[in-house]
Amino acid sequence: GAGVSQTPSNKVTEKGKYVELRCDPISGHTALYWYRQSLGQGPEFLIYFQGTGAADDSGLPNDRFFAVRPEGSVSTLKIQRTERGDSAVYLCASSPGDLNYNEQFFGPGTRLTVL
Amino acid sequence: TQLLEQSPQFLSIQEGENLTVYCNSSSVFSSLQWYRQEPGEGPVLLVTVVTGGEVKKLKRLTFQFGDARKDSSLHITAAQPGDTGLYLCAGLGEWDNYGQNFVFGPGTRLSVLP
Repeated sequence: GAGVSQTPSNKVTEKGKYVELRCDPISGHTALYWYRQSLGQGPEFLIYFQGTGAADDSGLPNDRFFAVRPEGSVSTLKIQRTERGDSAVYLCASSPGDLNYNEQFFGPGTRLTVL
Repeated sequence: TQLLEQSPQFLSIQEGENLTVYCNSSSVFSSLQWYRQEPGEGPVLLVTVVTGGEVKKLKRLTFQFGDARKDSSLHITAAQPGDTGLYLCAGLGEWDNYGQNFVFGPGTRLSVLP
């Protein structure tokens, strides 16, 4: 399994609950991205990590959304007080991090449904 | 917000036909990528174009970056059912100091019927 993996593949929760989505990037990739994809839309950028730090979190919609990458590998996207509008597929991607080589390798996504 | 538009939104054709899909913006991009996404999977990179006017070929797929680096096209020759999927373009803006934040278009959903 050399690709990007995401768990869980599906998550159903109730409005107001807290959820955590996990991303395991390709080993050695320093750059990690989170996107959100709604039905019929392209991926929407949320946050980008270079190593352990969030280099760009301008896509996070509000302060209910938070992401961490404490050891520069696995990342967790955390959503507090979930709302029905948060329902979407959450995609994670990793990249070697070299600015001259910016191919992103995507995981299969986590489908989040907020009832 | 810098927007990428893609057309057509949906396209259904017969096997063996040719097709072209478009990606347009009012913004200038330093590079642009095309991805294909299948149901239940993440997007997979097809090509990256960097230079205005650049043309790249990948088997039956031909990608072109506009001279002004604001638009791109993807042409498929003799489409096959295996080409079915969501085709996404993603642009890296000249405004992006980090050099990593790609903006995605909404995609063109292609269906090739046998």
